[in-house]
Amino acid sequence: NAGVTQTPKFQVLKTGQSMTLQCAQDMNHNSMYWYRQDPGMGLRLIYYSASEGTTDKGEVPNGYNVSRLNKREFSLRLESAAPSQTSVYFCASSEAWGLGDTIYFGEGSWLTVV
Amino acid sequence: EDQVTQSPEALRLQEGESSSLNCSYTVSGLRGLFWYRQDPGKGPEFLFTLYSAGEEKEKERLKATLTKKESFLHITAPKPEDSATYLCAVQAWGATNKLIFGTGTLLAVQP
Repeated sequence: NAGVTQTPKFQVLKTGQSMTLQCAQDMNHNSMYWYRQDPGMGLRLIYYSASEGTTDKGEVPNGYNVSRLNKREFSLRLESAAPSQTSVYFCASSEAWGLGDTIYFGEGSWLTVV
Repeated sequence: EDQVTQSPEALRLQEGESSSLNCSYTVSGLRGLFWYRQDPGKGPEFLFTLYSAGEEKEKERLKATLTKKESFLHITAPKPEDSATYLCAVQAWGATNKLIFGTGTLLAVQP
């Protein structure tokens, strides 16, 4: 069972470079999310897509853009990477964004911006 | 402001030594409280959801409980394979599915 798949697993960028993190889920979930995890900060929501065709800002959206390509895929783009965006990024999905839904996370993408 | 605080930050136990992890929360109206397990280099994995004070959930050596201000994750007779970071998150009413995560407790169980 693949679940939520993220690519790449590791990436080193130079300041100012752009890149896209890809995410796909095979559980037929309606909602998808991008989180970042930093030491001492906990997981923070960057953007989410409650359903195909919609996207909304989360807690820390500045410097990021997202695209819900179809029901399965949700990408995160860094247009001009900054050292402050060095983090571990997690994609997640859930059947819907109502109470009681469990959220399934991918294995993470380690991004370093130098 | 909605907030989640977990303690301790790190906990080292001997195999078989039971203990509890704490998750204190401040939220305007609790819709649900979630516990996750996170292994090194992996994403969080769902363990429990608790909805109301007094509720308890169990899974193998883990039991989660909930009061109006905090939740406890009790670990009974832990084994080395229980070593992981345990995350707590809360979801508030009107927050459009936003989960507020704590910073986690790193548990190490030594044989």
